Amino acid sequence: NAGVTQTPKFRVLKTGQSMTLLCAQDMNHEYMYWYRQDPGMGLRLIHYSVGEGTTAKGEVPDGYNVSRLKKQNFLLGLESAAPSQTSVYFCASSYSTFRGSNYGYTFGSGTRLTVV
Amino acid sequence: KQEVTQIPAALSVPEGENLVLNCSFTDSAIYNLQWFRQDPGKGLTSLLLIQSSQREQTSGRLNASLDKSSGRSTLYIAASQPGDSATYLCAGPLSGGYNKLIFGAGTRLAVHP
Repeated sequence: NAGVTQTPKFRVLKTGQSMTLLCAQDMNHEYMYWYRQDPGMGLRLIHYSVGEGTTAKGEVPDGYNVSRLKKQNFLLGLESAAPSQTSVYFCASSYSTFRGSNYGYTFGSGTRLTVV
Repeated sequence: KQEVTQIPAALSVPEGENLVLNCSFTDSAIYNLQWFRQDPGKGLTSLLLIQSSQREQTSGRLNASLDKSSGRSTLYIAASQPGDSATYLCAGPLSGGYNKLIFGAGTRLAVHP
């Protein structure tokens, strides 16, 4: 089925370790996003990309880096994990223009990350 | 500062009731608003997108309205069913374009038989 695929689904890291979250979409969407969701709060934008080779900061970018070497993939990296980065991470993608009734916003199923 | 607020945070109702979920936003320049559904342990699914020129959108038993002047959107669910149990989130455009979104914290809905 077409959609957004995130790996891994769960991960436990020790403080100071690094990891990369992978996101892949097969809908030929131009835009891709990384959000984090914390209890009692709405999703917050970490970084986003408007095309292959481009990335930009969102609302809460500190401690994260991203890369989009191919249009279908968007990687989120944590260089030195901190307990404050314990969260559920969602990747999403959308068209750049209105198609039919919306922008085709599609989310992955999330990565639950715990930093101890 | 842009903010999106949802009330109530949680709601528990018997099957068959008509429901209203509320969303308020601070950005009067908002040009669209989306409602999403999130099931436990899953990602978000887009339900409805209302453009500021439309004021209202309908999909099956769902109806969403947008009033920019009051900074409010409502999601109306008719004849609720246990399968409607989920968290409902509203989201408006984050400043700077590119379909970036700012979300409310959601309303957790439980519909019991």
